[in-house]
Amino acid sequence: RKEVEQDPGPFNVPEGATVAFNCTYSNSASQSFFWYRQDCRKEPKLLMSVYSSGNEDGRFTAQLNRASQYISLLIRDSKLSDSATYLCVVDSGTYKYIFGTGTRLKVLA
Amino acid sequence: ETGVTQTPRHLVMGMTNKKSLKCEQHLGHNAMYWYKQSAKKPLELMFVYNFKEQTENNSVPSRFSPECPNSSHLFLHLHTLQPEDSALYLCASSHDWVSSYNEQFFGPGTRLTVL
Repeated sequence: RKEVEQDPGPFNVPEGATVAFNCTYSNSASQSFFWYRQDCRKEPKLLMSVYSSGNEDGRFTAQLNRASQYISLLIRDSKLSDSATYLCVVDSGTYKYIFGTGTRLKVLA
Repeated sequence: ETGVTQTPRHLVMGMTNKKSLKCEQHLGHNAMYWYKQSAKKPLELMFVYNFKEQTENNSVPSRFSPECPNSSHLFLHLHTLQPEDSALYLCASSHDWVSSYNEQFFGPGTRLTVL
């Protein structure tokens, strides 16, 4: 089993749609969880950290399920500018961050 | 300049060349990282420096040699590379290596092509 697993997509959704991504991780000792966003041919940038209680930032909601070892990202009211690759990042249990391969999102006009 | 900068942005080299990638961070961070990103593969951590000391070498071949002269600068020296080393090389920095929820800030990357 891969350490961090994501559906590569692409997810093609119309503007205004709600879309959700899941990410599973294998190390039950992991403590830190993130979603990064990477635009085409650009560097990854932090979108949001994912806390045990779940957290929301505008149209974005992140959830952590430790029992099932997955994290999720929900995007409401999708915008064209949300088109990007979303990277799930989990620490390895020893402060080393493991990146997923990313999920590609295309928001269509 | 702010954030994390990398030079050069693009590099084409032959298998017998020697070149160096440079990374500089202006964020006052103590940890710096080299990652490799190949097509359709996740980012692979190569090296970590924390307070200028190398704390991680992720089984990287010796043809890649890192150098961290101070906490703001990081180099990756390249020699006798293989075509499969062609990739995007990303530098990142964070406050330190051991805190949880430690956001990493990435530079724009160097796109390397080995002929």
